Amino acid sequence: EVVLTQSPATLSLSPGERATLSCRASQSISVYLGWYQQRPGQAPRLLIYDASKRATGIPARFSGSGSGTDFTLTINGLEPEDFAVYYCQQRSNWPRTFGPGTQVDI
Amino acid sequence: EVQLEESGGGLVQPGGSLRLSCSASGFTFTLYAMHWVRQAPGKGLEYLSGITNNGGSTYYRDSVKGRFTISRDNSKNILFLQMSSLRSEDTAIYYCVRGSERLDLGWFDPWGQGTLVTVSS
Repeated sequence: EVVLTQSPATLSLSPGERATLSCRASQSISVYLGWYQQRPGQAPRLLIYDASKRATGIPARFSGSGSGTDFTLTINGLEPEDFAVYYCQQRSNWPRTFGPGTQVDI
Repeated sequence: EVQLEESGGGLVQPGGSLRLSCSASGFTFTLYAMHWVRQAPGKGLEYLSGITNNGGSTYYRDSVKGRFTISRDNSKNILFLQMSSLRSEDTAIYYCVRGSERLDLGWFDPWGQGTLVTVSS
């Protein structure tokens, strides 16, 4: 099973700042990594797929990068609605696995 | 608008059974693989199971293999998860998720709002 590790666990920032979230895989997963956002009380939603492609309707302030084992989600200019938990997920191997999440707090 | 609506959650005793349903609308259900993902209270996300668009092939994570069964009724656009021999650690919100045209491709988008399953005596 591919283990995904996310850091930091919590990120405390202010609106307008840049958030940089990291996801590391226990083995190479090429670019088969996605990022999801989960706001309190809501279901997750897909932000980024194939490491760097924005899902439909996702604002340009969200960007992803990386390949192999190291990946980054960047949020440029945090909006109030961006304060949430972010999960990475791999689709390179079965079972699909998720990271433990990074909470982005005000 | 693509919509997924889960139902069937509730309180069940350890060792009991429950069947979850997911009603899909706003897209051609027969073209997509479908999946179940769960989230224990205050915890992260765990992938459980997936099924091909025609129901001909399925996948289960080891911890639910033999206890959970995924199926679909393409005539009614409904996805199911039959759960048996339930344990306290199965307590979670269960999400129905759309995949892509193949079980082994694509991402989870969108997600239903989830249904809560509580396993307790």
